[in-house]
Amino acid sequence: GQNIDQPTEMTATEGAIVQINCTYQTSGFNGLFWYQQHAGEAPTFLSYNVLDGLEEKGRFSSFLSRSKGYSYLLLKELQMKDSASYLCAPGTPGGGNKLTFGTGTQLKVEL
Amino acid sequence: NAGVTQTPKFRILKIGQSMTLQCAQDMNHNYMYWYRQDPGMGLKLIYYSVGAGITDKGEVPNGYNVSRSTTEDFPLRLELAAPSQTSVYFCASSPSGEQFFGPGTRLTVL
Repeated sequence: GQNIDQPTEMTATEGAIVQINCTYQTSGFNGLFWYQQHAGEAPTFLSYNVLDGLEEKGRFSSFLSRSKGYSYLLLKELQMKDSASYLCAPGTPGGGNKLTFGTGTQLKVEL
Repeated sequence: NAGVTQTPKFRILKIGQSMTLQCAQDMNHNYMYWYRQDPGMGLKLIYYSVGAGITDKGEVPNGYNVSRSTTEDFPLRLELAAPSQTSVYFCASSPSGEQFFGPGTRLTVL
């Protein structure tokens, strides 16, 4: 079966750095996706890790350790618009890349 | 490119009614997916398709049906609506990795 664990809520200050952790257990593994979802909107793609290590993309970085079933999303220079839910989603083979989503981490950025 | 489009945006159904949620993509993606998202919960996969004419069940397929007659379209059918199907429904498409989501359909069954 699939199991994904992320913190439910986090609060951080504008301009700061925040790390959102995710642990997962899946039957088969095809990489780890992170999505951002603003309230009332569709998820939008942030990052994809298929190999161990850090992937950097502007203010966002994502890390993966396949042996530990662990990933994190790092957000730097936080802005108010980063207030959103962040969804960790391991992919499993079949159907292109079937995703299993956790309940997400609700990030609130304060002044 | 319009990307992934969904209609309608909102719908209220009575128990026992049926309806079809429409989804279309203009990116020539082979893979398409239907998810539902209940308040405060993660997205759950209902059905998916790897290409025209091929569909398969996801995690929560009961009460739903799909078809994929063309690459572009992937409609989701609810035959006998139940209050448990009140949710936000997202359609997504993918070339193979990243999935692109439509804006969603908010469905209420009363």
